[in-house]
Amino acid sequence: EVQLVESGGGLVQPGGSLRLSCAASGFTFSSHWMTWVRQAPGKGLEWVANIKQDGSDKQYVDSVKGRFTISRDNAKNSLFLQMNSLRVEDTAVYYCARCAGDCHFDSWGQGTLVTVSS
Amino acid sequence: DIQMTQSPSSLSASVGDRVTITCRANQDISVWLAWYQQKPEKAPKSLIYAASTLQSGVPSRFSGSGSGTDFTLTISSLQPEDFATYYCQQYNTYPLTFGGGTKVEIK
Repeated sequence: EVQLVESGGGLVQPGGSLRLSCAASGFTFSSHWMTWVRQAPGKGLEWVANIKQDGSDKQYVDSVKGRFTISRDNAKNSLFLQMNSLRVEDTAVYYCARCAGDCHFDSWGQGTLVTVSS
Repeated sequence: DIQMTQSPSSLSASVGDRVTITCRANQDISVWLAWYQQKPEKAPKSLIYAASTLQSGVPSRFSGSGSGTDFTLTISSLQPEDFATYYCQQYNTYPLTFGGGTKVEIK
């Protein structure tokens, strides 16, 4: 069974940093693109970033470029999101998801809440 | 960026009703469209990908159709567990984008 478990969320002040992790199990992690998707409170879904199987290709939504970095450790079946220069508008539940095919998201974690507030 | 527009934004329906949700892209995305279901306080769940392919384990009352810019998600006979919010998502071009969601409520 595919399992994705996020961690690392919490309360941080504007301008601060946070590192999210996603532990994957139940599938061959190194064979899949992986992604982060977020959802602000009461709002819809927003794709944040994708990373290729070997980490050689990364894509970001414009609003996080230069501030967020997606990475992975295939030896530890783990996905990460380093978030710097956090803004109030980054407040959201952050989901880790697995890409299938040309990257629809076929499995999702339970999410971790990031709150940016002073 | 490709904009995805869903309609309606919400609807009320009864158990057993046939429900149709539409999703329109402002550019041709071929068949690179997925549908997700999200229940309150839960992670989204994949329903359909490549516009019309049912994700494994999803009931056959769900179906998808369309190509190019116009797509539909149909629930042939609404069940109590189907009351949720539904999102479309294009994966033809970066940035990947979602529709605004359609909330299906009990009538």
